[in-house]
Amino acid sequence: RKEVEQDPGPFNVPEGATVAFNCTYSNSASQSFFWYRQDCRKEPKLLMSVYSSGNEDGRFTAQLNRASQYISLLIRDSKLSDSATYLCACLGAMGRRALTFGSGTRLQVQP
Amino acid sequence: EPEVTQTPSHQVTQMGQEVILRCVPISNHLYFYWYRQILGQKVEFLVSFYNNEISEKSEIFDDQFSVERPDGSNFTLKIRSTKLEDSAMYFCASSADAQETQYFGPGTRLLVL
Repeated sequence: RKEVEQDPGPFNVPEGATVAFNCTYSNSASQSFFWYRQDCRKEPKLLMSVYSSGNEDGRFTAQLNRASQYISLLIRDSKLSDSATYLCACLGAMGRRALTFGSGTRLQVQP
Repeated sequence: EPEVTQTPSHQVTQMGQEVILRCVPISNHLYFYWYRQILGQKVEFLVSFYNNEISEKSEIFDDQFSVERPDGSNFTLKIRSTKLEDSAMYFCASSADAQETQYFGPGTRLLVL
C-alpha cells in the first residue's frame, strides 16, 4: 500500500461546480497534513494546512479524519484558475520529519 | 512576502559531470530540504538539514549526493557524477520549525544527457 494515495483524476468540472478530493495515508503516526497546489512544471505551493477540527479558507475547506486516515479538500464555486494538480502531503508519514506526497489529483475546470 | 529562491532555473549537463544546485531559503527559517520530481511522477524527499548537518535522508540520497550550507544564506545540493536518471526537477524547501509548513522554491530543472 502506498504511503499517501490519491485518485489521479482528471476531474473535469464546469465553472461554478463543487468538487471534492480525498487522500488516504497509511502511517497512523503521521503528524501534520497539507494540501499543496502544483501548476504544470512549477513548484508545489501551499494551499492550506489540515487540522482535525477542519479548516476553511474562502472557497476551500479541508478536513482530517484520523480514525479513517484520510484527508479531504472541498472546492466550492470552481474557477478556471483552480485548474491545477492538488497534492496531498503528510509530515512524519515514514517516520521522518519530511513531507511524503501523494501523486496528485488533476483538476480541470471548464468554461 | 519572503520566498525561497533557487539557481539556476535550468541546467543541462553531460552524464558523469558534477552539478551544484543552489538555494537561498527564507531568512529566518532553520530547516532546509531538498526534494526532486521526475517528470510525470510525484515529489520525493531527498534530504533534510538542520543545525549545519543532515538530519534525515531518503534511500535516493546516496553517496553521489551531498548538501552544504557554505555561508549564512545559501544551501546547496551537489551531485558528484550525474546519471541519466538524475534528470528531474529539484526543489529546495525551508521551514521555521520541523512541524511547520514547508515553503518551496521554484525549482531547478536538471537534464542529464
